[in-house]
Amino acid sequence: DQQVKQNSPSLSVQEGRISILNCDYTNSMFDYFLWYKKYPAEGPTFLISISSIKDKNEDGRFTVFLNKSAKHLSLHIVPSQPGDSAVYFCAASEEYGGSQGNLIFGKGTKLSVKP
Amino acid sequence: DAGVTQSPTHLIKTRGQQVTLRCSPKSGHDTVSWYQQALGQGPQFIFQYYEEEERQRGNFPDRFSGHQFPNYSSELNVNALLLGDSALYLCASSLAGQDLPEAFFGQGTRLTVV
Repeated sequence: DQQVKQNSPSLSVQEGRISILNCDYTNSMFDYFLWYKKYPAEGPTFLISISSIKDKNEDGRFTVFLNKSAKHLSLHIVPSQPGDSAVYFCAASEEYGGSQGNLIFGKGTKLSVKP
Repeated sequence: DAGVTQSPTHLIKTRGQQVTLRCSPKSGHDTVSWYQQALGQGPQFIFQYYEEEERQRGNFPDRFSGHQFPNYSSELNVNALLLGDSALYLCASSLAGQDLPEAFFGQGTRLTVV
């Protein structure tokens, strides 16, 4: 039973256009959401996060939107660049002992940005 | 500032053997978590160590055990290796007590069981 789902295994976008990566979750206790980017032969790199008390967080070209009622979040990359080509993982956690608990990951979406 | 470092980077073991993987957290971090990433899947949480004790555990058998040392570094031990244990093992470190802690990952150890 997957608690975090990324239903699109892959996404192809033209350079300069917007990339939208989607993520759905089932556990209403999740209160913190993160996006990681992963290149081959490297560990995941933290990209951006959002707390459940917010509905939007922006960092440069990256914006994460959270819709709690729909249990859905999305990552927008504008404009997309060829260097953004990687696998993107959505992750979620709930509070544990006053801190954030373990991360539950989706299966990832492979983004390809074409020049 | 060194990030999270893991050793070794690659490892080949035979079924039934035991393996130990090592992780040094990012400087200033006190919490270490271990994840298993099978091919085509997202990382799956194994367990988390804080103050030298296992704080949380995922759905992994007792063959998977760990340890955290006073300098916050950590080891993951897997006994009686199975072919299905072949995966990328990721270590992540964070700082406890933060409102929005980001976990920083190492490059991983690629374990192949033959």
